[in-house]
Amino acid sequence: TQLLEQSPQFLSIQEGENLTVYCNSSSVFSSLQWYRQEPGEGPVLLVTVVTGGEVKKLKRLTFQFGDARKDSSLHITAAQPGDTGLYLCAGSVRTDSWGKLQFGAGTQVVVTP
Amino acid sequence: KAGVTQTPRYLIKTRGQQVTLSCSPISGHRSVSWYQQTPGQGLQFLFEYFSETQRNKGNFPGRFSGRQFSNSRSEMNVSTLELGDSALYLCASSLTGASTEAFFGQGTRLTVV
Repeated sequence: TQLLEQSPQFLSIQEGENLTVYCNSSSVFSSLQWYRQEPGEGPVLLVTVVTGGEVKKLKRLTFQFGDARKDSSLHITAAQPGDTGLYLCAGSVRTDSWGKLQFGAGTQVVVTP
Repeated sequence: KAGVTQTPRYLIKTRGQQVTLSCSPISGHRSVSWYQQTPGQGLQFLFEYFSETQRNKGNFPGRFSGRQFSNSRSEMNVSTLELGDSALYLCASSLTGASTEAFFGQGTRLTVV
């Protein structure tokens, strides 16, 4: 059982559409990170959120951390083909987890021109 | 500044053999974590090293081991390889490993035949 549940598992949209990916847990996280991974490559860090209720924007990407620090969402506005990839959320349950991130199963996003 | 470097990128081994993978973290980062990624299980934490000491360990058999050198470079070793060990092995580096941002290498794709 994954500590972090991501939904949906797969998302296929047209260029220009918006999308939202969700990451939920019953556990409280001290911090939560979002990564994007392309086939055969390592995950690339997009953002880290640490404060409940925090909202961070990175160009067309908006990240939100829930007030209770148990959930997060990633919203992409006007998606482009370059946004295609596997989006992973990951978190640390405790500040002394020493390098251990719990990962969600990922959301595969495909943006077609 | 250089990112996380993993070598080799690809490896093919036979069942029963052993393998050693290498990871050079970002300069100044002292924490190195290792993950195994498979289609069925996603990203699973193997272990974390800081200042040449293993501080955290995931639920993997003793065939999986690692070490860290004084320059923070790390190696992981898998002995008596099994077909199920085929996976993408990822190394992540961070400043301290305590819920801080983790940056991943490109990974080593291990295939056991």
